[in-house]
Amino acid sequence: GEDVEQSLFLSVREGDSSVINCTYTDSSSTYLYWYKQEPGAGLQLLTYIFSNMDMKQDQRLTVLLNKKDKHLSLRIADTQTGDSAIYFCAESISNFGNEKLTFGTGTRLTIIP
Amino acid sequence: DVKVTQSSRYLVKRTGEKVFLECVQDMDHENMFWYRQDPGLGLRLIYFSYDVKMKEKGDIPEGYSVSREKKERFSLILESASTNQTSMYLCASTTPGMSGNTIYFGEGSWLTVV
Repeated sequence: GEDVEQSLFLSVREGDSSVINCTYTDSSSTYLYWYKQEPGAGLQLLTYIFSNMDMKQDQRLTVLLNKKDKHLSLRIADTQTGDSAIYFCAESISNFGNEKLTFGTGTRLTIIP
Repeated sequence: DVKVTQSSRYLVKRTGEKVFLECVQDMDHENMFWYRQDPGLGLRLIYFSYDVKMKEKGDIPEGYSVSREKKERFSLILESASTNQTSMYLCASTTPGMSGNTIYFGEGSWLTVV
């Protein structure tokens, strides 16, 4: 079955790096995603990684995937106050070409001035 | 600009009422999804549809039904609303064989059942 887990809270000082972790159980995942949700808003896709990749970098964001341990992480360099949000990881399972997303519980990132 | 529109952002309904949450997408997507989001539980899949008049149960379908009469519209129905259905509901759509960045979400519908 599918299960995606994250820590619920993370606090980081402004300017430091934030690392948000996620574990998943389904080894047949095709893509893994990171979404950001600001207060009162919907979900914004931040970045994604194909399951046969180890790492993806996009400006301040670095995604690391350890497929053996089924562990995904999102590193935000030089964390800013605008990074305060809930971050969701999600895994995508393909069902005869149709994708279905399973989300984690979300990690609330708080920035300490 | 692509869009998934949820017609009602904020609703307050009474216990036992029938509630319709509407979602419309303008991208000609085949696949549409309804999730609910609760603190500490993340997003949980209620129902999804891969084609018109087709529906499949997600992880938490109890107390809900859906309707997909037209490709662009996917409705979530609460036949008899209960207080434990107070939540934020998110609709999403995508196309089959998506490449990883083609799933789009609406802005959410906040439902309070009193």
